[in-house]
Amino acid sequence: QVTLKESGPGILQPSHTLSLTCSFSGFSLSTYGMGVSWIRQPSGKGLEWLASIWWNGNTYNNPSLKSRLTVSKDTSNNQAFLKVTSVDTADTATYYCAHTRGGGGRPYYFDYWGQGVMVTVSS
Amino acid sequence: DIVLTQSPALAVSLGQRATISCRASESVRSSMHWYQQKSGQQPKLLIYGASNLASGVPARFSGSGSGTDFTFTIDPVEADDIATYYCQQSRNDPLTFGSGTKLEIK
Repeated sequence: QVTLKESGPGILQPSHTLSLTCSFSGFSLSTYGMGVSWIRQPSGKGLEWLASIWWNGNTYNNPSLKSRLTVSKDTSNNQAFLKVTSVDTADTATYYCAHTRGGGGRPYYFDYWGQGVMVTVSS
Repeated sequence: DIVLTQSPALAVSLGQRATISCRASESVRSSMHWYQQKSGQQPKLLIYGASNLASGVPARFSGSGSGTDFTFTIDPVEADDIATYYCQQSRNDPLTFGSGTKLEIK
């Protein structure tokens, strides 16, 4: 059974760095074909894919966030991480991590999602 | 970026068919997937690869289409289906989602 759970600071100030952790079970990020993605959703709005990381360490980032995103993993502890630098109020959202299926080595779809963690950027 | 266009809302009577469309700004072949998000919950995968039913999803749900025009169908609609439905493409980076269609019961 695949489960994922996000954790994070809850609230942080503008210009700071957001650090999120995704703790998962039921699969290993060292196994061929496994991936974890981050998706966010501002309150009352739609979904935005942010980044994905694969079993082999390859990463894919959404160019709209330019170089602000860093995604990484700790295979031995079954965790994935997302860092977003220089946050502002537009980064206020619920952040989800999701188990990701690949197609041709790229993220394809998200078949298991965590419950999400709400992040508020405010001074 | 590929833009996915969905109608904002759809009202259907219980027991009837609900059809939700998603139009892509360019061809995504069959790289289209559908999610259900109930209020206060995380999204749930229903359909992947345009027409493949995800594990454990009832056969009342189905998907079709290819290229730029896709359809998601619930037949028959049940009260528990009240939710927002999103399409998502994975043909090109960045992966993008439609703005969602809110299903309401008449």
